[in-house]
Amino acid sequence: NAGVTQTPKFQVLKTGQSMTLQCAQDMNHNSMYWYRQDPGMGLRLIYYSASEGTTDKGEVPNGYNVSRLNKREFSLRLESAAPSQTSVYFCASSGAANEKLFFGSGTQLSVL
Amino acid sequence: RKEVEQDPGPFNVPEGATVAFNCTYSNSASQSFFWYRQDCRKEPKLLMSVYSSGNEDGRFTAQLNRASQYISLLIRDSKLSDSATYLCVVILYGNKLVFGAGTILRVKS
Repeated sequence: NAGVTQTPKFQVLKTGQSMTLQCAQDMNHNSMYWYRQDPGMGLRLIYYSASEGTTDKGEVPNGYNVSRLNKREFSLRLESAAPSQTSVYFCASSGAANEKLFFGSGTQLSVL
Repeated sequence: RKEVEQDPGPFNVPEGATVAFNCTYSNSASQSFFWYRQDCRKEPKLLMSVYSSGNEDGRFTAQLNRASQYISLLIRDSKLSDSATYLCVVILYGNKLVFGAGTILRVKS
């Protein structure tokens, strides 16, 4: 049982480049999330999807877009990467909005 | 004021010690509370939920104090393997989930 699978694990981008972080879960969860984690700060929600077909902004959505491709997959896109987006990104899923979160293993992204 | 605040630590304790951390939250309407554990460079994992009456799971005890708006985590008989960052999570109104920045625990032999 893979749980939440997130790719890539590491990525280095130049300012202005674009990329998509992929996330898939095999637990039939309705809710999926993208967080970023920076030193000294808690995980901050970028976007979330309460169910297939819906997406909503979180605390720090600027510079990102998401797609809930189907119930399993929720991708995060950086259209024009900036150094301020250097961070560790985590995808997560849960059965419902206030239930236990299951996290992917994270993506270390550096934007130069 | 941050919605959820934790002492960043680090808390350096010897093996076998008892250690406790608190997490304060600003919104009295907060509904649910959790403790997550995060190992270095790994993803957070749920340690335990926090119930109104307090709850225990082996060496770990979680408590909620609604009057003073904080939750606590007590670890008894600390093990080296308990070294990690402990994140408190508060679910606010509208199912908004907020993470604290975490408390670092280092257990030393």
